[in-house]
Formats: sequence, structure tokens, C-alpha cells
Amino acid sequence: DGGITQSPKYLFRKEGQNVTLSCEQNLNHDAMYWYRQDPGQGLRLIYYSQIVNDFQKGDIAEGYSVSREKKESFPLTVTSAQKNPTAFYLCASSGGLPQFFGPGTRLTVL
Amino acid sequence: SQQGEEDPQALSIQEGENATMNCSYKTSINNLQWYRQNSGRGLVHLILIRSNEREKHSGRLRVTLDTSKKSSSLLITASRAADTASYFCATDARNSGYALNFGKGTSLLVTP
Repeated sequence: DGGITQSPKYLFRKEGQNVTLSCEQNLNHDAMYWYRQDPGQGLRLIYYSQIVNDFQKGDIAEGYSVSREKKESFPLTVTSAQKNPTAFYLCASSGGLPQFFGPGTRLTVL
Repeated sequence: SQQGEEDPQALSIQEGENATMNCSYKTSINNLQWYRQNSGRGLVHLILIRSNEREKHSGRLRVTLDTSKKSSSLLITASRAADTASYFCATDARNSGYALNFGKGTSLLVTP
């Protein structure tokens, strides 16, 4: 997990609310990523950013938004438009290969 | 998109035995990586093998790659209880920077 922090570790949200997941890295990596993991599944790419002030949609971007105002930070907002937001969210960064992952945030919608 | 597919989905062995996991993928790749995930934690990178390599070793890990069959295998020798985790193969997602396509993983249980 070293060098990448995610907060909070656990997050509970009521339906209809937006929530923002934090991801910070001190590895001086240009690229950052958000993945979603559902039980018994692999990771699916939500958004990625290769450089500050630029980001691209991944395979499952609908209902999510991101920003990349600083190199160190890549917050993910889960909006009320995301129909099934309960999942484990993983942030990663890379300066090429491989990717380094944070410890994850487990989001539960009540 | 989930390109990789690991096999078996679950594997249970005793300490000291070898564990072999397989990964198949669909499209051509530049490289293939293996990651480990302990329950409820982030992923840890284990090993990367490039498309022009056939075999790679790292400690007790041995990875092979057969690009003609679009498959890879991860061998963990002399398994320990601490190896209990889920193991994922990941391939590069073309045109997505260095983003990765992950399989669903193999859940490995090593019992004392």
C-alpha cells in the first residue's frame, strides 16, 4: 500500500447522496486510476488520468466523476446516478509499470 | 473490460505444496502482470512478464507466458500459509495509458 492513501476506509451513504472518495499519492507518479471491485470479481476501470488536469473514462464511468487538479490527488465522486454503488473502490498510481494500489475504500449504500 | 480469466477460481493446498494458477486472455498484449490481494486489502504487484519473454522467476514465483495460446501461468513453490490470498492476472488495456484489464482471480487457501 505504501505511498498511496485512500480515505475513508469505510463509507456509508444513503440513497440519493453524492459521496467523494479521497486518493492521495506521494510517489510523484503522473498516472492515477480508479477501479471498482465487486465480491468475487476482478477490478473494473472507472476513470484514469495520465496527467494533471486531464482524465479519461474507463469501462464503467457512468455515475462517477473525477478531478485531477493536483498531481498528488485524484478524488472520485460517486453520484446519485450510480445505480449500484455498493462496492470496494481501489485507487492506483503508476509512473509506467507496475501500478501501485492504495488500501481501498468500502462503500455501502444504505 | 475484463480480458483475463483465471483458472481455477479457487484452490486449496497444504503448506509445502506447489500452487499453479492459469490465466487466459483474448487480445494481443504488451505485457502481463500478476497481483496478489489479501482479503479486504489493496493489490500488491508480484511480477511482470513482457510479450517477448517466455518465463520469469522471482523468489518462489515462476511465471510463464505463451502468446500463441494467449495464456500465462503462475507457480508458487513451497507454499506457506501467508500465501493465502486472491491472485489476479492483468493485461495492459491498449489506448488507456497504463490502465489494466483484470481477470476475476484465483482464491488460494494454504492450510498448515
